[in-house]
Amino acid sequence: AAGVIQSPRHLIKEKRETATLKCYPIPRHDTVYWYQQGPGQDPQFLISFYEKMQSDKGSIPDRFSAQQFSDYHSELNMSSLELGDSALYFCASSLGLVRRDSRGNEQFFGPGTRLTVL
Amino acid sequence: AQKITQTQPGMFVQEKEAVTLDCTYDTSDPSYGLFWYKQPSSGEMIFLIYQGSYDQQNATEGRYSLNFQKARKSANLVISASQLGDSAMYFCAMREGYHTDKLIFGTGTRLQVFP
Repeated sequence: AAGVIQSPRHLIKEKRETATLKCYPIPRHDTVYWYQQGPGQDPQFLISFYEKMQSDKGSIPDRFSAQQFSDYHSELNMSSLELGDSALYFCASSLGLVRRDSRGNEQFFGPGTRLTVL
Repeated sequence: AQKITQTQPGMFVQEKEAVTLDCTYDTSDPSYGLFWYKQPSSGEMIFLIYQGSYDQQNATEGRYSLNFQKARKSANLVISASQLGDSAMYFCAMREGYHTDKLIFGTGTRLQVFP
């Protein structure tokens, strides 16, 4: 079965540079989510999109922005990178129209992009 | 207060034995979903099992089952017949209410399966 695709898988940047992470959801999934997992930490929700509109927002820094495109893929843009941005960035996808409290709304995660800021 | 609490930073289990990973949650919203994910050392986050707050029966997925005790606000993961490949970090997570998408994760439990 097709899974969530993220690119690149690894990225090394210098401080103050910019980075763009891409996410391709599971076919027919219309909702994407972005999470950040620091070393030894649990994942933290950043932002989500449903049908190309932002649907929820978490602890995403102002230096970061994201969008979802007409083909449902999503990009996370990160500017003025800091050392503390080094983390594993996950994208997840789900079917957004399913009732929130029922099966079918599970979030399936991609393999992650490991960002290292030097 | 922590929304998701996993009190076991590490657990050991012998191959072929069953193991229970604990998870308690805190919410006043009647509608919520509980998830378990497995994260091997390679880093990917693998969905294991889901339990909705209105589900009458405990969720099961192959060797994984969720012991859902609503009154106690616990959602423990039971892995039966452990395998060496089950060695990983396990995260419990909650989505709270209808109007949010975000998953709130616990701090995880590292499971080590030994022969």
